[in-house]
This record gives sequence, structure tokens and C-alpha cells, in this order.
Amino acid sequence: AQRVTQPEKLLSVFKGAPVELKCNYSYSGSPELFWYVQYSRQRLQLLLRHISRESIKGFTADLNKGETSFHLKKPFAQEEDSAMYYCALAQGAQKLVFGQGTRLTINP
Amino acid sequence: KAGVTQTPRYLIKTRGQQVTLSCSPISGHRSVSWYQQTPGQGLQFLFEYFSETQRNKGNFPGRFSGRQFSNSRSEMNVSTLELGDSALYLCASSLDGTYNEQFFGPGTRLTVL
Repeated sequence: AQRVTQPEKLLSVFKGAPVELKCNYSYSGSPELFWYVQYSRQRLQLLLRHISRESIKGFTADLNKGETSFHLKKPFAQEEDSAMYYCALAQGAQKLVFGQGTRLTINP
Repeated sequence: KAGVTQTPRYLIKTRGQQVTLSCSPISGHRSVSWYQQTPGQGLQFLFEYFSETQRNKGNFPGRFSGRQFSNSRSEMNVSTLELGDSALYLCASSLDGTYNEQFFGPGTRLTVL
């Protein structure tokens, strides 16, 4: 079965430190992976998708098919990065399978 | 461009009742997906509609149903409510049938007493 695992429910780092949010997936086909973010009192929104290979707000994520991972990274954390982050796998058109989410807190 | 809107934002029902939630997608978007979010299960896919047809369905009982109208607005209905149906129900819209970005609404908070 298709599954997305985010092993850390909570992650706390200091401002300026590197951030890595882990995401592992299980999928038999060619995966389409996304990171969604939810800032406090805001809607869930797309942060980035692996297919576009872009950097958004300093975040990048590389798909590693060998390790079935799609970790989200940022070299220098900022306080405004504090949010809930969800890794998601597209299973069929428009059906997203979400991980449980990681709450990231950036300490000043 | 107006975002995805969901009504009502909050709802309190009792066990056994039924409820209808509404979602208006972004103008021009033809795909609407519904998700249930709970602390225990996280975000789970309910179903997706595209041009008034259900294309995808998650693993939820038949008490959960939906439909989409010709203007792309969508409704989901839950019959015979159970306590476990208490959740935040999110609606998301996207442009068409590919892996386009999904734009989420604010959600409807359903409480079943």
C-alpha cells in the first residue's frame, strides 16, 4: 500500500541552523511527491513539488528513489519557517496521500 | 482571484443526524477534492470530482458521499453521523486532471455530539 512516513512529529531548531524534515514513502510506481505547509492560522498550501526541482523560500527537496525519501532541507532556518509541514504522495490524479506532519519550531 | 471557500465553517450535530458541507472552488478550477483531518489519522483523502464525475475515492464508508455541480461547486454529505466523524473537512480545488497544485479551503469543523 502507498504510504508516507514523517518520523518526527516535532522538530525544534535555532534560527540560522540547518533544517531537515524527513519524509519516506512506499509506492510501486513512479512517485509524484510534494511538500505542503500550514502556517499558524493559515490554509494548507503547496511549498514545493519534486517534479519542478525548484527552491521555494530557501527550501529544497530531492527525490531519492533508492532510499525512497524526499527530505525537505533549508541551510539557514528563519523564525518565519515555524509551521506544520506535510509530505504528500500523489496516488492517481489529485489524490494525495499525506504523512502525519512535522511541526517545526524555530527558536530565536 | 478569490480562494476556495467552504461553508459552513463550524457545525455541531448529534449522532444519527446527517450533514451537508459545501465547497466553492477557485474560478476556472474543475477538480475538487475532499479530505478529512483528525488528530489521530491525520489528513485522509475522501474523494475527488472532476467535471461532475467522481474520479477517485478513498477508503471511507458509504455514509460519506459527494457530488459536483456544473459550476464546479461541490458538496459532501455524511449520513448517520458517528462520534468519530468529528473532524476538520478540507476541500481543495485544482485546475484540471493532472498533478496540478491543489488549493485548499479553510475547512469546515464538524463536531458530533
